[in-house]
Amino acid sequence: LAKTTQPISMDSYEGQEVNITCSHNNIATNDYITWYQQFPSQGPRFIIQGYKTKVTNEVASLFIPADRKSSTLSLPRVSLSDTAVYYCLVGENSGGYQKVTFGTGTKLQVIP
Amino acid sequence: NAGVMQNPRHLVRRRGQEARLRCSPMKGHSHVYWYRQLPEEGLKFMVYLQKENIIDESGMPKERFSAEFPKEGPSILRIQQVVRGDSAAYFCASSQVTSGRAGYNEQFFGPGTRLTVL
Repeated sequence: LAKTTQPISMDSYEGQEVNITCSHNNIATNDYITWYQQFPSQGPRFIIQGYKTKVTNEVASLFIPADRKSSTLSLPRVSLSDTAVYYCLVGENSGGYQKVTFGTGTKLQVIP
Repeated sequence: NAGVMQNPRHLVRRRGQEARLRCSPMKGHSHVYWYRQLPEEGLKFMVYLQKENIIDESGMPKERFSAEFPKEGPSILRIQQVVRGDSAAYFCASSQVTSGRAGYNEQFFGPGTRLTVL
């Protein structure tokens, strides 16, 4: 599995756009990039997944450059409820499942 | 459609006792995964199961830990003769049979069981 590196923590004011970048220099051809969100005392929740270029859903956008060695999760206009840990995962969906390991993630603190 | 259910939410055991953690996947999901999370750390994969089969247990300690997903009933993670180092949050996740669309295999997580070993 490709190792990922992301900032340990970030602070942002309410209403701002937050961009969290993840480095995955050893990403393999078949690897997908997935982001999860985890609130205290809860299990992680899937946010978004992509392979290349840009993916957008109702929650976030994911930007992946052509070399795929990094990716950026973009959260528009964050609110206090977006305070959580965000995990970047890279893995291959092989054999019908994706065996993933979560790093330490980025702890986002939204400030009023 | 209820989400992934785990029970108990909190479990306290003394050293040497057994801990049994239960996970009921989402309706229609036949894939179950177990993860362990130590304080201030990310989740670490332990085992992946389908009904009546262990597919990948490469993340599970070789001794004292076992998992099953019977034809009927919840998936069980069993820890025998618990030690203080087993204290952690244990999360279960489930997913559907792979859709055939490469890369898409969203895992839905339960609320976790927090095991404390005294």
